[in-house]
Amino acid sequence: KAGVTQTPRYLIKTRGQQVTLSCSPISGHRSVSWYQQTPGQGLQFLFEYFSETQRNKGNFPGRFSGRQFSNSRSEMNVSTLELGDSALYLCASSFGQYAEAFFGQGTRLTVV
Amino acid sequence: SQQGEEDPQALSIQEGENATMNCSYKTSINNLQWYRQNSGRGLVHLILIRSNEREKHSGRLRVTLDTSKKSSSLLITASRAADTASYFCAPDYSGSARQLTFGSGTQLTVLP
Repeated sequence: KAGVTQTPRYLIKTRGQQVTLSCSPISGHRSVSWYQQTPGQGLQFLFEYFSETQRNKGNFPGRFSGRQFSNSRSEMNVSTLELGDSALYLCASSFGQYAEAFFGQGTRLTVV
Repeated sequence: SQQGEEDPQALSIQEGENATMNCSYKTSINNLQWYRQNSGRGLVHLILIRSNEREKHSGRLRVTLDTSKKSSSLLITASRAADTASYFCAPDYSGSARQLTFGSGTQLTVLP
């Protein structure tokens, strides 16, 4: 069974640009969550999608947005990038509400 | 904050020794998950223990959960150099939506 796939693995963007990250969950998983990991703040929850609906959102500015498609694949978008957005962005998928959450390898975003 | 807090923050042991990491959390949980992260990579799911379970094993891993003390521990027996990683606990308080909260982790170093 294929794991959670995140693309791209690495990205370098310039301040002010926007970026879209993609996450393909494990087949059959309908819940997809996104997390940001930085050395200073650690792992922080961004948002969670289930059946194309955002069910929960963390404490991030509106520049961070996401969506989920009918095949459960999810994208997150960050607009007007700031230097502080440099981080490892992790996606996790799970089958059900109380099931194990499996993470992808992450996308390393560097904003210069 | 509802995140789990791992203790100790750093642990250094010799290969072959056992490693014990602890996690404390604040409120009632549905389950608690343990993850491993090798430097800059994605999180690898280790074990999920449900709130009605007290102990769970997986290979060289043993996880305990004490809901009365709101704490969990992860024991790695006969450690190997490849176990060197950061270990995170993620208490799952999920209600209607999925959101895992993470502490700063325990950095385990296994010396050959």
